[in-house]
Amino acid sequence: DGGITQSPKYLFRKEGQNVTLSCEQNLNHDAMYWYRQDPGQGLRLIYYSQIVNDFQKGDIAEGYSVSREKKESFPLTVTSAQKNPTAFYLCASSTTGMNTEAFFGQGTRLTVV
Amino acid sequence: QQQVKQSPQSLIVQKGGIPIINCAYENTAFDYFPWYQQFPGKGPALLIAIRPDVSEKKEGRFTISFNKSAKQFSLHIMDSQPGDSATYFCAAKGGSNYKLTFGKGTLLTVNP
Repeated sequence: DGGITQSPKYLFRKEGQNVTLSCEQNLNHDAMYWYRQDPGQGLRLIYYSQIVNDFQKGDIAEGYSVSREKKESFPLTVTSAQKNPTAFYLCASSTTGMNTEAFFGQGTRLTVV
Repeated sequence: QQQVKQSPQSLIVQKGGIPIINCAYENTAFDYFPWYQQFPGKGPALLIAIRPDVSEKKEGRFTISFNKSAKQFSLHIMDSQPGDSATYFCAAKGGSNYKLTFGKGTLLTVNP
């Protein structure tokens, strides 16, 4: 089936650790995105990418890093510099044309222990 | 800077009622306005979308009303059901910017 796969579904991180969230898509979409979701905060954009080897900061990029070495993959690293990393993380992809529907993965819930 | 303002934050209706969720935008370059539905623990999924050249679009029990001059659009859910209980997000995009800007979401509860 075509779609976006995020893994793992649940992730636990110790204080001071870096963790990487995986996002893979087989929709042949050029654009990929990472959002953070907190209760009452909606979807806040962390990073986005339109083409391989290029990406831009979103609204809350501090403490996060990404790479886009392949069109299908857009992993997100939550670094130890992120002060409050516990959240629900959503990856999405889309074309870059008009009427652009974004397709979302099922999310990764990250908890700091 | 919040470019898409969504209200209310939460909404409770009885089965069969017609919940209405409103959004307002500031950027006149926006030309695509989708609504997403999200169930707990899942990713959002596209529900319905509209472009500003029409004032209304219906898909099943879901209707978008669009007022270009007021820069507002709203989602109406006819004959709401308990299975419609979810969080709803409006969004917008346009111009040279391909990424979506989301509202903060509305938690809808439909009581039996």
